Amino acid sequence: DAKTTQPPSMDCAEGRAANLPCNHSTISGNEYVYWYRQIHSQGPQYIIHGLKNNETNEMASLIITEDRKSSTLILPHATLRDTAVYYCILYPGGSEKLVFGKGMKLTVNP
Amino acid sequence: GAVVSQHPSWVICKSGTSVKIECRSLDFQATTMFWYRQFPKQSLMLMATSNEGSKATYEQGVEKDKFLINHASLTLSTLTVTSAHPEDSSFYICSASPLTSGGGREQFFGPGTRLTVL
Repeated sequence: DAKTTQPPSMDCAEGRAANLPCNHSTISGNEYVYWYRQIHSQGPQYIIHGLKNNETNEMASLIITEDRKSSTLILPHATLRDTAVYYCILYPGGSEKLVFGKGMKLTVNP
Repeated sequence: GAVVSQHPSWVICKSGTSVKIECRSLDFQATTMFWYRQFPKQSLMLMATSNEGSKATYEQGVEKDKFLINHASLTLSTLTVTSAHPEDSSFYICSASPLTSGGGREQFFGPGTRLTVL
């Protein structure tokens, strides 16, 4: 079973920042917070991951609370191509399996 | 970033036939690859973990004799759906994790294979 909780859907206006929340109150010390997204009929795309510090890359920023029980993925300037299902996953890395929950459907509107 | 390919991207077959799907890591080596299945409007469900040089580990409820997995090299894993039936129609996706030390390694996913069994 997935160990994260996400709202089922969210809308965002094109050009605005999209803040995607995720709760993971039972996270273990060795688990990273990973974010993937899946655009319709494609394989999941890796976005970003973090352990306890905030992270930023060319796609997004990841903010993890100090107690690590929740996190927020930030897409700074959402575009129509960001419309997808976003998955927040706890993962220790390596050969361990990824368990996908239901994810959150983000719709970016023009 | 690391690239994972799948072949074919889509396949249509008759009921009772077998279908082989290939998953390749193009620019990295992976001792472990994973196979997922996704039905319409549902999330990805892990089917099995494919280990190079050893038998695959199947998730509960997945028939190992129906879904044959071979991981012959560090860059290739195959999934064969034997005696396919219409209920096997689905989107099959593989993933692989590069060989590096330490935690925090991401898995990279293939583009998926759409299987339709008539």
